[in-house]
Amino acid sequence: KQEVTQIPAALSVPEGENLVLNCSFTDSAIYNLQWFRQDPGKGLTSLLLIQSSQREQTSGRLNASLDKSSGRSTLYIAASQPGDSATYLCAAVDSNYQLIWGAGTKLIIKP
Amino acid sequence: NAGVTQTPKFQVLKTGQSMTLQCAQDMNHEYMSWYRQDPGMGLRLIHYSVGAGITDQGEVPNGYNVSRSTTEDFPLRLLSAAPSQTSVYFCASSYGEGQETQYFGPGTRLLVL
Repeated sequence: KQEVTQIPAALSVPEGENLVLNCSFTDSAIYNLQWFRQDPGKGLTSLLLIQSSQREQTSGRLNASLDKSSGRSTLYIAASQPGDSATYLCAAVDSNYQLIWGAGTKLIIKP
Repeated sequence: NAGVTQTPKFQVLKTGQSMTLQCAQDMNHEYMSWYRQDPGMGLRLIHYSVGAGITDQGEVPNGYNVSRSTTEDFPLRLLSAAPSQTSVYFCASSYGEGQETQYFGPGTRLLVL
């Protein structure tokens, strides 16, 4: 059974730093890997989707990588800003097209 | 486009009461799903639908019913509310199933006393 883990559960860094969020999955037979952002009291917003055949995807200051062999994906945020403060969730899509979710990393960017 | 909308935003129920959480999307998406989000856990799939008239169970379906009479609407019914159903409920939609980008509603926060 696929399990997705995000460590750490919370992270606080000063504004301007580059940072990496981690996502691990136990079964490498994934269809794709998706990263989302969740603001307090709000729904989830899709950030990046990496197909299983891809190694990375970029959107602005965000870059997500995928290494199926090691069961890892990372979300790199460059030049962090206070507006990046949110909870970041990853989800691995299995062969039945079901999303298996991590519990998220709560990110706080200190001004 | 309004995207995915959910009502109500917040609801308090007593144990044993029933209610329906509403979800609608205006993007002509075939795939719709319901999740619950509990503290410290990932989202868990309750029910999903791949098109009007077709629904299926997810990981945690017990105590919930769904129907999909139109492409736009996908209501979630709690048959007899229990404190264990206290959670935040999210509806999502996409063109395809999990292989496509998912669009989420703002959520319904449910408290069962």
